[in-house]
Amino acid sequence: EVQLLESGGGLVQPGGSLRLSCAASGFNFRTYAVNWVRQAPGKGLEWVSGFSDGGVTTHYAESVEGRFTISRDTSNNTVYLQMNSLRAEDTAIYYCAKDVLRGSQSAFDIWGQGTKVTVSS
Amino acid sequence: SYELTQPPSMSVSPGQTASITCSGYKLGDKYVCWYQQKPGQSPVLVIYQDVKRPPGIPERFSGSNSGKTATLTISGTQAMDEADYYCQAWDRSTAVFGGGTTLSVL
Repeated sequence: EVQLLESGGGLVQPGGSLRLSCAASGFNFRTYAVNWVRQAPGKGLEWVSGFSDGGVTTHYAESVEGRFTISRDTSNNTVYLQMNSLRAEDTAIYYCAKDVLRGSQSAFDIWGQGTKVTVSS
Repeated sequence: SYELTQPPSMSVSPGQTASITCSGYKLGDKYVCWYQQKPGQSPVLVIYQDVKRPPGIPERFSGSNSGKTATLTISGTQAMDEADYYCQAWDRSTAVFGGGTTLSVL
């Protein structure tokens, strides 16, 4: 079964850091890109970060550029999102999501259950 | 930055057709996909590459995209289709979501 499982969310103070993990199973991790998408309370979906070019190139939303870093470990099929200099507006449920097509930025056919991040003092 | 615009809400009677629009500059030149999200659940992909349905998505869901508008059509809408719907496209290697449309089946 194709599955994504996020972890690492929690409560953090403004200016703090957090690292999210997304463990993938059931598909060729090197072939399909995994992205991060977030949803603030009561709001819509916002793409955060992802890969292209088979995982070589990383991309970020303007709102997180310079503060967040996406990476992946192909030895354990895990994608990470390192979040630094966190702000109240980063409070959201963070989902990881898999591209439906190989090697390209397409659509997200598999989503994790999400991990909640709260930035508050 | 690129923007996608959806109506915030719409309603439809059971058995009728719901058409949810998504507009953006030269959107017809891009591939559009659509997600369904029910309260407390993760989004579900219902249409990708404008018109394709993933496995398990009912045939009553269909899509189109031309000019500046993409449309998700739900034929014979059922009560279970009540949800938030989001369109999404790519612009210069960043994914852009529409603001979402809450569909009520009344």
